[in-house]
Amino acid sequence: GENVEQHPSTLSVQEGDSAVIKCTYSDSASNYFPWYKQELGKRPQLIIDIRSNVGEKKDQRIAVTLNKTAKHFSLHITETQPEDSAVYFCAASNADQFYFGTGTSLTVIP
Amino acid sequence: DTGVSQDPRHKITKRGQNVTFRCDPISEHNRLYWYRQTLGQGPEFLTYFQNEAQLEKSRLLSDRFSAERPKGSFSTLEIQRTEQGDSAMYLCASSLGTGVSAFFGQGTRLTVV
Repeated sequence: GENVEQHPSTLSVQEGDSAVIKCTYSDSASNYFPWYKQELGKRPQLIIDIRSNVGEKKDQRIAVTLNKTAKHFSLHITETQPEDSAVYFCAASNADQFYFGTGTSLTVIP
Repeated sequence: DTGVSQDPRHKITKRGQNVTFRCDPISEHNRLYWYRQTLGQGPEFLTYFQNEAQLEKSRLLSDRFSAERPKGSFSTLEIQRTEQGDSAMYLCASSLGTGVSAFFGQGTRLTVV
């Protein structure tokens, strides 16, 4: 089955700086890669996603890049704000289920 | 609220008791997933449905766990003879087919004492 690895597990940045979270996957059949943000005690919420036929996607301060050959994808958050502090999960999906990374706890220091 | 809803939000039970959770997906979504999440970990796959058909069940899932989606709408997850190791957040998600976004419910937090 699919194996998704996520790094780093914790990340602290100063407000206004950029944050980058990286994930790798193992199954070349995976073709859809969403990212979720989970605040303490709340449900995971989709923040951005990318499909395997696209190399990069951007939505305001958030961008995701995908390298199919290397089987890795990354989340980039620019101009970080304190409200970006949360746990972020990457996921990879084939035609069946979603496989999640172990999460990155992001802290934005004001 | 037209999102995924789960009931109850919290459940405390004694070891050995049976518990049942309910998930109501977004109405037009044909896929429904159950995940388990423990502190500091990502969601761990349990099972998923395409309409009323249960298509896959995790090998990690013991026989004490069973899930149903009888009419292809809401789903229930039952845990029999609960153990302390079953304590976790149980998350339900739904999606409109494959290769598209899945949306999560708020989860049911189970505590086995």
